[in-house]
Amino acid sequence: GENVEQHPSTLSVQEGDSAVIKCTYSDSASNYFPWYKQELGKRPQLIIDIRSNVGEKKDQRIAVTLNKTAKHFSLHITETQPEDSAVYFCAASEGGADGLTFGKGTHLIIQP
Amino acid sequence: GAGVSQSPSNKVTEKGKDVELRCDPISGHTALYWYRQSLGQGLEFLIYFQGNSAPDKSGLPSDRFSAERTGGSVSTLTIQRTQQEDSAVYLCASSLYYGQGYEQYFGPGTRLTVT
Repeated sequence: GENVEQHPSTLSVQEGDSAVIKCTYSDSASNYFPWYKQELGKRPQLIIDIRSNVGEKKDQRIAVTLNKTAKHFSLHITETQPEDSAVYFCAASEGGADGLTFGKGTHLIIQP
Repeated sequence: GAGVSQSPSNKVTEKGKDVELRCDPISGHTALYWYRQSLGQGLEFLIYFQGNSAPDKSGLPSDRFSAERTGGSVSTLTIQRTQQEDSAVYLCASSLYYGQGYEQYFGPGTRLTVT
């Protein structure tokens, strides 16, 4: 089955700086890669996703890149703000396969 | 509109007891998923439903776990003879359709504590 590795487990950046979280996956059949943000005590919420026919996708301060050859994808947050502090999870899915396989999460801390 | 809801929000039970967790998906969503999130960990996929059917139950941790969905809507996850290692937050998600990368919307979860 699919295995998703996520790094780093904790990331501390100064407010205004950029943050990058990286994930690798094992199943070359995976074709859908969402990123979820989970604030303390709250439900995970989708922030951005990318499909395998696209190499990069951007939404305001958030971007995701995908390298299918290397089987890795990354989340980029620019101009970080205090409200970006949360746990971020990457995930992979074959689309038609069973649910999402999640990474173990990255605790992003924005230092004022 | 209303999002995914789950009940109860918290459940404390004694080891060996059975528990039933409920999920109400977004109206019209045909696909429903159950995940488990242990403290400080990622989400572990348990089972999905396409309509009322669960084609693959291999993600369930043991035969003490079962799930059903009726009327293409509400789903229940039942854990029999609970063990302390079952303590976790159980999250339900729904999506409009199954597969093809449709967004999964999560419920608030049920925090299960087995004492």
